[in-house]
Amino acid sequence: GEQVEQRPPHLSVREGDSAVITCTYTDPNSYYFFWYKQEPGASLQLLMKVFSSTEINEGQGFTVLLNKKDKRLSLNLTAAHPGDSAAYFCAVTANSGTYQRFGTGTKLQVVP
Amino acid sequence: NAGVIQTPRHKVTGKGQEATLWCEPISGHSAVFWYRQTIVQGLEFLTYFRNQAPIDDSGMPKERFSAQMPNQSHSTLKIQSTQPQDSAVYLCASSLDWGGQDTQYFGPGTRLLVL
Repeated sequence: GEQVEQRPPHLSVREGDSAVITCTYTDPNSYYFFWYKQEPGASLQLLMKVFSSTEINEGQGFTVLLNKKDKRLSLNLTAAHPGDSAAYFCAVTANSGTYQRFGTGTKLQVVP
Repeated sequence: NAGVIQTPRHKVTGKGQEATLWCEPISGHSAVFWYRQTIVQGLEFLTYFRNQAPIDDSGMPKERFSAQMPNQSHSTLKIQSTQPQDSAVYLCASSLDWGGQDTQYFGPGTRLLVL
């Protein structure tokens, strides 16, 4: 079936450094892309929703890049701080699909 | 707006017992989704309702798992004869509409432990 690979599974960066998490997907019909943050014991918090028509999307303290040719989606935390420590998940839906197919997750630790 | 409500937050069952998990979607949302989260498998889709009707249960294990949505205010996921491999966090989500672009709002999850 269609897959969403996410790398790296674990990432440790120093405060102020950037952190990059990447997802690659296989379904050529993928059209909507999501990034979620999950703090320990908490549910999924939507960070950003990206449509396939936009390659660069900026949020508060992060940038999401979409490369449709390579079927790659990345989340770049530009200046990480300890509050960014959490698990991050990408998710993908097809144009005609409804449920989200999730990446395997990245556990980010930001060290002061 | 209380968000998606899931009860109980934690449940411990013995092997072979039944577990029923409850979800109350956000009022006015027409789509309800169930996902399962484990360390090994990650986040997996289970099933989905649209306007209370079951639409896609392609992620549901064929045996022992069933889901219902008897009214617009709640959905249940029932696991019969629970097994240790059913231990997971079960997440419910709802969305205003049912298109692929619609934001899904996730509940806090029910952590099921089968001993």
